[in-house]
Amino acid sequence: ELKVEQNPLFLSMQEGKNYTIYCNYSTTSDRLYWYRQDPGKSLESLFVLLSNGAVKQEGRLMASLDTKARLSTLHITAAVHDLSATYFCAVVNSGNTPLVFGKGTRLSVIA
Amino acid sequence: GAVVSQHPSWVICKSGTSVKIECRSLDFQATTMFWYRQFPKQSLMLMATSNEGSKATYEQGVEKDKFLINHASLTLSTLTVTSAHPEDSSFYICSKTDSQRADTQYFGPGTRLTVL
Repeated sequence: ELKVEQNPLFLSMQEGKNYTIYCNYSTTSDRLYWYRQDPGKSLESLFVLLSNGAVKQEGRLMASLDTKARLSTLHITAAVHDLSATYFCAVVNSGNTPLVFGKGTRLSVIA
Repeated sequence: GAVVSQHPSWVICKSGTSVKIECRSLDFQATTMFWYRQFPKQSLMLMATSNEGSKATYEQGVEKDKFLINHASLTLSTLTVTSAHPEDSSFYICSKTDSQRADTQYFGPGTRLTVL
């Protein structure tokens, strides 16, 4: 059974600081996704990571994937208030199958 | 722009009534769509996989007679919550997969159901 663990589950950080969210998964998968969810809203796709060593960056967010360690990271650089949201990682077994989500990391960026 | 739409975006109903939620694929045909449920401050949990022209596949613990899924066309899947009760109050989100974009799943805007 595919399981996904995120940590931390809650993160309060000051503006301008850096931090990393971790996502571990239990079985082999070469496809990992990061999503953002704002309160009361649905999920917004951030990154799709397809291969070992993949690194993608968008603004202050950078995601990486290590398939051998079954680990993905979401790094936040110089956080700003607008990044406050819940971030989910999700993994699939293969192709057109449903996602298995981590529990989410609730990020709060404070001045 | 949005590739998946849901209707309604929110609904309040009395206990015992049934509620239908529509999920539409706006840009291409989707033979498979997924229905998730999210309780407050929790993650998304898969309820069922909706297959066009055939029966839905339900996850363990999800009552198929209570949560009726119909995928009658290639762009529309519906979820009907029958005889809703307060414990069914949740955020229901559908999604579809884009095989042209590394099987990225795109989510609808969600439907917030409140059962009084």
